[in-house]
Amino acid sequence: QVQLQESGPGLVKPSETLSLTCAVSSGSISSGHWWSWVRQPPGTGLEWIGEIVHSGSTTYNPSLKSRVTMSIDKSKNQFSLNLASVTAADTAVYYCARNGYFSADYWGQGTLVTVSS
Amino acid sequence: EAVLTQSPGTLSLSPGERATLSCRASQSVSTNYLAWYQQKAGQAPRLLIYATSSRATGIPDRFSGSGSGTDFTLTITRLEPEDFAVYYCQQYGGSPLYTFGQGTKLEIK
Repeated sequence: QVQLQESGPGLVKPSETLSLTCAVSSGSISSGHWWSWVRQPPGTGLEWIGEIVHSGSTTYNPSLKSRVTMSIDKSKNQFSLNLASVTAADTAVYYCARNGYFSADYWGQGTLVTVSS
Repeated sequence: EAVLTQSPGTLSLSPGERATLSCRASQSVSTNYLAWYQQKAGQAPRLLIYATSSRATGIPDRFSGSGSGTDFTLTITRLEPEDFAVYYCQQYGGSPLYTFGQGTKLEIK
């Protein structure tokens, strides 16, 4: 079955850019599925950040759109998230996921990103 | 913005009992677009139900979903110890494209 693994710095300074990568294994990122990023601040609920498909088309959460960029690297079977101008409010566990039938059917284990100087 | 409101916030039950979790949408949702997830502490969410009532791969049949319009329900018959977790509903198609409810914590009584 498809496996996803997030990677990236666990600590980012305020005003800098958070950058994460999600490596996909046991499946192709060009399969036609959309691929999402979801985050979860400590002790709270889930927030969808955005999604990307193999063509590079994206859809972002309007609340984050001005700061979010997603990209896809088909040669490495991975996709990435950049979130600019971060603040403490961006501290969260960040998950990557595969979109199935209007839902996320496979998830990475998540990576905690802390925004602090 | 599409809003999902889950109730109750916390549900205290014993193993073997039946759990009924509610998810109410601020506007009508297609039955194709409503999903449920289970999340245990320190783990990623796991898809349980998609399209209101279809069980995801490997999900036991004690989990079932129902509903239409703005009111949706996740039912767990005969609770097992491993079922105690936080449950989220999720809708597709509003703004933002995917939104989640705030969660219901199912705890052991």
